[in-house]
Amino acid sequence: DVKVTQSSRYLVKRTGEKVFLECVQDMDHENMFWYRQDPGLGLRLIYFSYDVKMKEKGDIPEGYSVSREKKERFSLILESASTNQTSMYLCASSRGGTSVDYNEQFFGPGTRLTVL
Amino acid sequence: RKEVEQDPGPFNVPEGATVAFNCTYSNSASQSFFWYRQDCRKEPKLLMSVYSSGNEDGRFTAQLNRASQYISLLIRDSKLSDSATYLCVVNSGAGSYQLTFGKGTKLSVIP
Repeated sequence: DVKVTQSSRYLVKRTGEKVFLECVQDMDHENMFWYRQDPGLGLRLIYFSYDVKMKEKGDIPEGYSVSREKKERFSLILESASTNQTSMYLCASSRGGTSVDYNEQFFGPGTRLTVL
Repeated sequence: RKEVEQDPGPFNVPEGATVAFNCTYSNSASQSFFWYRQDCRKEPKLLMSVYSSGNEDGRFTAQLNRASQYISLLIRDSKLSDSATYLCVVNSGAGSYQLTFGKGTKLSVIP
């Protein structure tokens, strides 16, 4: 089974702090993704990565950055946390490749971040 | 903007009922189609992929109509454990690894 793990289930930070959210997948997947999920807004893509050291902006990258130094690990960074970044953060991975089935994404359990 | 539209519900149905969810997508180049299930305060998990020929997995049947850009999910003999939010998901274009998620349809199965 694919396993995607996230560093914390719950996190409380103060405005202005630098926040690191880490995600690790154990199935040698090429693609990794960071989303945030808010009530009424659904899942929104923040950043994604197709390969090591490669990153692409998603729909809402402002206020975030990412790092992918190793294939299995994808980190989301909030440079200066703000209250409007309070949310559920979900990491996902997918195999990549030519088959349409390889687009299936496997999610981690999520990190519920509260910024005070 | 490429979107996936779903009725948010909630659908409140008695145990044993048959319920159908529909969704429409705007990107005609989409090639991958999925239904995900998300339980309250949990991560989304794949329920089933959706193929052009339609496919069935036990009590669940998914259909795809490419011409109308429409996807459906039918749940027969609903169980209490089917209560969840169902997300319609498509990839964001030909060859794209990105997925576009609908906002979900909430189902409550009532004893």
